[in-house]
Amino acid sequence: RKEVEQDPGPFNVPEGATVAFNCTYSNSASQSFFWYRQDCRKEPKLLMSVYSSGNEDGRFTAQLNRASQYISLLIRDSKLSDSATYLCVVNEGRGRRALTFGSGTRLQVQP
Amino acid sequence: ETGVTQTPRHLVMGMTNKKSLKCEQHLGHNAMYWYKQSAKKPLELMFVYSLEERVENNSVPSRFSPECPNSSHLFLHLHTLQPEDSALYLCASSQGAMNTEAFFGQGTRLTVV
Repeated sequence: RKEVEQDPGPFNVPEGATVAFNCTYSNSASQSFFWYRQDCRKEPKLLMSVYSSGNEDGRFTAQLNRASQYISLLIRDSKLSDSATYLCVVNEGRGRRALTFGSGTRLQVQP
Repeated sequence: ETGVTQTPRHLVMGMTNKKSLKCEQHLGHNAMYWYKQSAKKPLELMFVYSLEERVENNSVPSRFSPECPNSSHLFLHLHTLQPEDSALYLCASSQGAMNTEAFFGQGTRLTVV
């Protein structure tokens, strides 16, 4: 079983649509959760951290469900510039000193 | 100037060559990392350095040899690689354990022929 699992997509949505991605993680002891964004042929960059109470940053809302071990990202009013791969990222704890990445979900926003 | 700089950006090498990848961070972080990204696979952690000491080696073959001479510089020495080692190699840095943001370099795209 993969440590962090995501639907690879692609999700093709029109501009202005609302789109949601889910991610599941296998280690119940995981401590920190993030969404990173990676544009084509570029490096990953932090989009937002995910907090237990849920958090929002403009058009982006992240949720964490520890009981079910999944994380979600909701993008409202999609823009063309949102087209990218979204990486679900977990710090597994257990003394691990680095992040574990999902394979990413590709989003293509169309005009 | 970008926070994390990697050179070269592209590298083509034969299986008998020896080459090195370089990473430099200007953020004052105390931890640096090498990740490998192959097509359609998640980023794979290779090595972790904290305060210039290697603290994690993720079962990486010995043909990859990291070096961290100081907290700002990280190298990945390559020798007798295989074609399946062709990938994007990403360096990252962070302050402390990775409960906070990790900053990545733009990567070195390596092709082994």
